[in-house]
Amino acid sequence: GAVVSQHPSWVICKSGTSVKIECRSLDFQATTMFWYRQFPKQSLMLMATSNEGSKATYEQGVEKDKFLINHASLTLSTLTVTSAHPEDSSFYICSARDPLTYEQYFGPGTRLTVT
Amino acid sequence: AQSVTQPDIHITVSEGASLELRCNYSYGATPYLFWYVQSPGQGLQLLLKYFSGDTLVQGIKGFEAEFKRSQSSFNLRKPSVHWSDAAEYFCAVGARQAGTALIFGKGTTLSVSS
Repeated sequence: GAVVSQHPSWVICKSGTSVKIECRSLDFQATTMFWYRQFPKQSLMLMATSNEGSKATYEQGVEKDKFLINHASLTLSTLTVTSAHPEDSSFYICSARDPLTYEQYFGPGTRLTVT
Repeated sequence: AQSVTQPDIHITVSEGASLELRCNYSYGATPYLFWYVQSPGQGLQLLLKYFSGDTLVQGIKGFEAEFKRSQSSFNLRKPSVHWSDAAEYFCAVGARQAGTALIFGKGTTLSVSS
């Protein structure tokens, strides 16, 4: 079946630095990808919708200058957490929707720890 | 407003007993419905989905779910629970359009007692 990959699977960074997370759709072209954040023992919260070739659409309360999203190609979207702080520590999950089957595939997630 | 409600935060079931996890949704368009399972520290695994047709859908690991439009529900069931089923379960709803994200419920934690 279709696969969405994420890299890295986990990352530890120091406060004030930036971290980039990659999300790739391996078997299909995704004009739209989604970024979610999940805090421990909580549900997935949609952060933004990443659109290939255009600006991302952010959910209310998500700082677009802090969480930079780039969807440079039909198979790659990146999320950059800029000037990371400990409260940004979370599990970040991307997903992509297959435009032919409508099924949404999720990446394995990236565990970010900011020290 | 679009939303998914999972009324049960935590459920404990004896191994071998039957299971039903509840999910209610509020969605303006024709809903596509999903159930995912997540083990601690892991990503999401799709259990089953409903797009159209037969309202009783079969999934992996012996799970099934029934779509009831009149009740806006999509409850997940399993006739006999195994200890390995202990995990977090999420119900999600989305639209047909590829550009729309899934909306997730808050999840139900399933514990299995021996």
